[in-house]
Amino acid sequence: DGGITQSPKYLFRKEGQNVTLSCEQNLNHDAMYWYRQDPGQGLRLIYYSQIVNDFQKGDIAEGYSVSREKKESFPLTVTSAQKNPTAFYLCASSIGGAKNIQYFGAGTRLSVL
Amino acid sequence: QKEVEQDPGPLSVPEGAIVSLNCTYSNSAFQYFMWYRQYSRKGPELLMYTYSSGNKEDGRFTAQVDKSSKYISLFIRDSQPSDSATYLCALTGANSKLTFGKGITLSVRP
Repeated sequence: DGGITQSPKYLFRKEGQNVTLSCEQNLNHDAMYWYRQDPGQGLRLIYYSQIVNDFQKGDIAEGYSVSREKKESFPLTVTSAQKNPTAFYLCASSIGGAKNIQYFGAGTRLSVL
Repeated sequence: QKEVEQDPGPLSVPEGAIVSLNCTYSNSAFQYFMWYRQYSRKGPELLMYTYSSGNKEDGRFTAQVDKSSKYISLFIRDSQPSDSATYLCALTGANSKLTFGKGITLSVRP
């Protein structure tokens, strides 16, 4: 079954703690993306990667970091510098190209303790 | 002016109604137009995508694009309670960046 797997489904962060959200895809897509979704705000792009070992900041990268060591994996770390991390985080992948149709995982809901 | 504007909703309709969901955009460079459906606490799933102006039909769903007016619509015929979800329009421009509308939450009452 091809798809995008995000884990965990729910995550809690303590003050001053870094947490890492996992995203794995077996679609053989080159491009991967991280979005943050807040009520009434739509999807906002955090980081994206079009190829292994390369990634770019999106619109709201501050307080987040990523790595892309393998084609199928694109983990997101929410650092302690992100003061308002409570949100629904979505990972997506795409074959790229002009259409850039993106396919999404089921999301991780992050809350602050 | 935001690049993509979507009616904020929420929208509530009785079962069997025809639903019209709309987005407007300001950048004429947008080339591909998509609609995603997102159920509560799930990731968005692609419903339809179109390239040119005109209509594209898939079952009860019709996507319509009017490039001259910079207006896109999704019509749902014979709406069902299972259609209750948030619908997001998404557009791709010349740089292949995908820009999303904020989404509209639809509720179909039995």
